[in-house]
Amino acid sequence: AQSVTQLGSHVSVSEGALVLLRCNYSSSVPPYLFWYVQYPNQGLQLLLKYTTGATLVKGINGFEAEFKKSETSFHLTKPSAHMSDAAEYFCAVTKARAGGYNKLIFGAGTRLAVHP
Amino acid sequence: DGGITQSPKYLFRKEGQNVTLSCEQNLNHDAMYWYRQDPGQGLRLIYYSQIVNDFQKGDIAEGYSVSREKKESFPLTVTSAQKNPTAFYLCASSIPLALAGGSNEQFFGPGTRLTVL
Repeated sequence: AQSVTQLGSHVSVSEGALVLLRCNYSSSVPPYLFWYVQYPNQGLQLLLKYTTGATLVKGINGFEAEFKKSETSFHLTKPSAHMSDAAEYFCAVTKARAGGYNKLIFGAGTRLAVHP
Repeated sequence: DGGITQSPKYLFRKEGQNVTLSCEQNLNHDAMYWYRQDPGQGLRLIYYSQIVNDFQKGDIAEGYSVSREKKESFPLTVTSAQKNPTAFYLCASSIPLALAGGSNEQFFGPGTRLTVL
């Protein structure tokens, strides 16, 4: 069975500091991996996704993530935090399988706070 | 602009009442989903539908019902059998796996916050 673990339910950084949100997954087959962001009382917005090809994936708002198969990780980073980055972030995984319905499994989320 | 709309944004229900949450999409997506979000628990799948007139139970379907009579619409009814319905409900849709390269990227609506009084 697939699963996603996000280490740290709350992360706090200073404005301008590096943002690192951790995500580890479990999958018996090649995974497709996603990071979504959620602002208060809003839906989820896709930040970036890894399907195949380059393992370093760049997304919106300056975020990027690297797929590391050996470490079963897909950590999200941003070199310099901005106040507007304060939100909740969700990592998700699905199976890389052609045809049919591939269930999207979400982590519990990490709430990012950015201090002036 | 294409997107997913959910209504109402806030909904209050008395115990014992059934309520229906609306979800409409104009993205021409075949698949639609309903999730429940509780603090610290991420998103849990309630129901999903891959095509019109077909839907499947997710992980926490008890106390909920859905219909899929039109491609654009996937309403969720929270019945009185749902013992703890206070939560944030999110609707999502996705394009066919063959077109998305099998990624199952999902697009989300703005959500409905349901509170039981």
